[in-house]
Amino acid sequence: QKEVEQNSGPLSVPEGAIASLNCTYSDRVSQSFFWYRQYSGKSPELIMSIYSNGDKEDGRFTAQLNKASQYVSLLIRDSQPSDSATYLCAVNMRAGGFKTIFGAGTRLFVKA
Amino acid sequence: DAGVTQSPTHLIKTRGQQVTLRCSPKSGHDTVSWYQQALGQGPQFIFQYYEEEERQRGNFPDRFSGHQFPNYSSELNVNALLLGDSALYLCASSLAAEQYFGPGTRLTVT
Repeated sequence: QKEVEQNSGPLSVPEGAIASLNCTYSDRVSQSFFWYRQYSGKSPELIMSIYSNGDKEDGRFTAQLNKASQYVSLLIRDSQPSDSATYLCAVNMRAGGFKTIFGAGTRLFVKA
Repeated sequence: DAGVTQSPTHLIKTRGQQVTLRCSPKSGHDTVSWYQQALGQGPQFIFQYYEEEERQRGNFPDRFSGHQFPNYSSELNVNALLLGDSALYLCASSLAAEQYFGPGTRLTVT
């Protein structure tokens, strides 16, 4: 089992729709969870962080965390073509300290 | 406020050579982490530096080493380069849990 798993996609949604991106993780004691957006040829950009169970909203983005199910998700409302990118889920895992483990990313295409 | 900077942007090396990559953290950040990102993959954690010490290390061989300076800037050194070391090398700085990435250094080993 991979430490952080994401569907590789691609996920294709029409403009204006809700895009739902999912991530599962293996370390039950993980405390910090992050979503990064990465455009082709660019470095990852932090868009959301979440630390406690429930929802956290920031503009069109909502992060959802369920520690019991070891599941974190990102919802993008009113998707725009400019949202087309790879979305990386990252988890701070305890491993003789804490290190951040990234999933392989989900490619999102928003069709105009 | 300057973000994380990295140099050089691109680099081409030959197998067996050595390379040094540099990173300056975001103002106010004291922790630097290095990642390797192969095409189509997520970033892989190499190591993290805090207070000039390697605090945490990922599953990378000893050919990968680093250093952090008193001004919190950092270097990543890779010895005896292999073709498989070709990747985007990312530096991320942080003060707490949230990490912010630099633009990366694209290393090509031929």
